Amino acid sequence: QKEVEQDPGPLSVPEGAIVSLNCTYSNSAFQYFMWYRQYSRKGPELLMYTYSSGNKEDGRFTAQVDKSSKYISLFIRDSQPSDSATYLCAMRYTNAGKSTFGDGTTLTVKP
Amino acid sequence: EPEVTQTPSHQVTQMGQEVILRCVPISNHLYFYWYRQILGQKVEFLVSFYNNEISEKSEIFDDQFSVERPDGSNFTLKIRSTKLEDSAMYFCASSDGTGRLAFFGQGTRLTVV
Repeated sequence: QKEVEQDPGPLSVPEGAIVSLNCTYSNSAFQYFMWYRQYSRKGPELLMYTYSSGNKEDGRFTAQVDKSSKYISLFIRDSQPSDSATYLCAMRYTNAGKSTFGDGTTLTVKP
Repeated sequence: EPEVTQTPSHQVTQMGQEVILRCVPISNHLYFYWYRQILGQKVEFLVSFYNNEISEKSEIFDDQFSVERPDGSNFTLKIRSTKLEDSAMYFCASSDGTGRLAFFGQGTRLTVV
């Protein structure tokens, strides 16, 4: 079993839709949860960072962590064509330790 | 906005040759990392570096790999004898340790022929 499993996609939605991206993980020792956006052949860009369980909102983005279910989600409201990218979930045991990434979900938002 | 700078953006090398990938982390960051991403696959951790020593490394980071912070600003990854399977994007990252301020560079695409 992979440490981090991410819904594979690809995902295609119309502009303005609400997008839900999800990851599950197997190791309850993960404490820090991140979502990155990656454009083709570019480095990952940190979108959301959450410690432990709960919700965090930043503009159109909401990150949710449910540690009891070992499940994390990223919601994008009012999706825009510029949101088209690959979204990576990642998690860490410690604040400065290594990150373990999911495989990524490629999102296309159609105008 | 601060950024992590990596050079070169693309390097082609022959199998068996040594390569050095260079990174300039964000100036007040203390934690440095190398990750790689083989085309179409996930981002994989290679090594982390703190206080001038390796703090953690993955099973990928074998004796062919080494890291160095030679002059207080640069952070390098050396691959001693490249193999075809080393072809990948290599990303440098740096962090202030809080996780909220963690940045990746744009990557070096290494092609081994």
